[in-house]
Amino acid sequence: GENVEQHPSTLSVQEGDSAVIKCTYSDSASNYFPWYKQELGKRPQLIIDIRSNVGEKKDQRIAVTLNKTAKHFSLHITETQPEDSAVYFCAASGQAGTALIFGKGTTLSVSS
Amino acid sequence: AAGVIQSPRHLIKEKRETATLKCYPIPRHDTVYWYQQGPGQDPQFLISFYEKMQSDKGSIPDRFSAQQFSDYHSELNMSSLELGDSALYFCASSFSRGDEQFFGPGTRLTVL
Repeated sequence: GENVEQHPSTLSVQEGDSAVIKCTYSDSASNYFPWYKQELGKRPQLIIDIRSNVGEKKDQRIAVTLNKTAKHFSLHITETQPEDSAVYFCAASGQAGTALIFGKGTTLSVSS
Repeated sequence: AAGVIQSPRHLIKEKRETATLKCYPIPRHDTVYWYQQGPGQDPQFLISFYEKMQSDKGSIPDRFSAQQFSDYHSELNMSSLELGDSALYFCASSFSRGDEQFFGPGTRLTVL
């Protein structure tokens, strides 16, 4: 089955810096890669996603890149703000309607 | 916009008791997913339903069962509860087995 690895597990940046979180997946059949932000005790919130027919997607300060050959995708957050502090999870899924397989999460801390 | 509704939000049970968690998907969403998230862990997929039929199955214990009803709401039934079942249980929904899964606020289950 699918296995998703996520790095780093913790990331501390200064306000205004950029943050990059990287994930790799094992199943070449996976074709959907969402990123979720989760604050303590709250629900995971979808912040951006990318499908396998696209190499890059951007939404304001957030961007995601996908390298299908390397089975690697990354989340880029620019101009970080203290409210970006949270746990970020990458995930992968194959056929529509199937399970999301999550990475172990990255705790991002943005200090002002 | 309407979101996924879960009830109860908090539940405390004794070992060997049973529990029922309910999930009401976003209106017009017909696909429901259940995830279990232990403290400091990533969400683990349990089971999913599409049009009232089981769609995908993950690491759901035999002590747990679930179903989706004609109004698309879903219930997760948990029996012979163990201390290790203490976790956040999230329900997510999507439209017609679409990729995007939207999470509910979760039910925090504590087994004493």
